[in-house]
Amino acid sequence: GAVVSQHPSWVICKSGTSVKIECRSLDFQATTMFWYRQFPKQSLMLMATSNEGSKATYEQGVEKDKFLINHASLTLSTLTVTSAHPEDSSFYICSAREGGEPNQPQHFGDGTRLSIL
Amino acid sequence: GQNIDQPTEMTATEGAIVQINCTYQTSGFNGLFWYQQHAGEAPTFLSYNVLDGLEEKGRFSSFLSRSKGYSYLLLKELQMKDSASYLCAVMDSNYQLIWGAGTKLIIKP
Repeated sequence: GAVVSQHPSWVICKSGTSVKIECRSLDFQATTMFWYRQFPKQSLMLMATSNEGSKATYEQGVEKDKFLINHASLTLSTLTVTSAHPEDSSFYICSAREGGEPNQPQHFGDGTRLSIL
Repeated sequence: GQNIDQPTEMTATEGAIVQINCTYQTSGFNGLFWYQQHAGEAPTFLSYNVLDGLEEKGRFSSFLSRSKGYSYLLLKELQMKDSASYLCAVMDSNYQLIWGAGTKLIIKP
């Protein structure tokens, strides 16, 4: 149980392109989903918290207009990297919290490796 | 500030036991999580401790002492596939997860 699916797993595209990443909870409803970014050999960095039906909460230093988050249903959140540039190349990982209690564990998707040329 | 400390890297032998420590200073506490992350993959949930004591799950056990701000993850009968990074994360009073930098565990035959 508690499976989170993230697509695509790998994206290579040209600078200036917008890239959309999907995160789905397959066997549970997720009121809250999270988007992380991870650079090689570094820990997870929370970018934003996505709540179903409301605006995402972004961490300090994360550009809202650059990283658009939509959480339109209890099983789907999307992250769109707009006008991507080489410095946006990274490993993006989503997670979903099972159940309504805030202390429930987060279950992670497989991540999306984004390479901007 | 909030801080999670865990060793950067550890080495152990196949079949042995290893203990990975985590100390934390956070504004409030709503539980501590351990995750396993293989290179190039997303983390997978291992354990959750909110009360003091030892939680056992097969070859893996996790211990918590809230008064000491301390936890450890114990891995028994180590297998080569246990080579991974182990992430300690604490949930603070706002239910925000504070992540440690992870401990890279290297298993040698």
